[in-house]
Amino acid sequence: EGQVVESGGGLVQPGGSLRLSCAASGFTFSHYWSTWVRQAPGKGLEWVAIITQDGSEKFYVDSVKGRFTISRDNAENSLSLQMNSLRPEDTAVYYCGRDLFDIWGQGTMVTVSS
Amino acid sequence: QAGLTQPPSVSKGLRQTATLTCTGNSYNVGNQGAAWLQQHQGHPPKLLSSRNNNRPSDISERFSTSRSGNTTSLTITGLQPEDEADYYCSAWDSSLSAWVFGGGTKLTVL
Repeated sequence: EGQVVESGGGLVQPGGSLRLSCAASGFTFSHYWSTWVRQAPGKGLEWVAIITQDGSEKFYVDSVKGRFTISRDNAENSLSLQMNSLRPEDTAVYYCGRDLFDIWGQGTMVTVSS
Repeated sequence: QAGLTQPPSVSKGLRQTATLTCTGNSYNVGNQGAAWLQQHQGHPPKLLSSRNNNRPSDISERFSTSRSGNTTSLTITGLQPEDEADYYCSAWDSSLSAWVFGGGTKLTVL
């Protein structure tokens, strides 16, 4: 049974940066596209970014393009999301997973506030 | 990036059948199919059905999906109190190269 564990969330001021990490286990991480999805407080799910198995292609939601960077390390079974120029509207629980949406962690909370 | 369209809320009685809809376009639902997720308050989402209409082994047969054109539907039979949750659909949009989500439907079991 696969699982993922997100970490790295916290409180950051507008304009600041944060790096989220996701540790995967129990499945062959390198075989799957990996993705980040977020959920603002009281709101619905919003897809953020996705990366192909070998990291050669990356796609982002328009609102984070140029600010967020998704990356992966298949040797370490890990996924990352570098978030720069953070805005209050980026405040959310961030979930990582594979693009089948069948494995979800508990998420990590990011709060952007002064 | 335009999302998928879901009704904000649906209410049904105990042991009744609820059908939740999700409408997209020919680049997402109509072409790629859609996944369905269930989320209880304070918990991460849970996959009910993949975009290939595969139901995970731990999901009850009371949950089924279908698709007609650009609309996909999730049908829940024999509604139980624990079915009260938020339900989301999601599909890969080939024109946007992006996943798109519906706004979610809050199901209330009366």
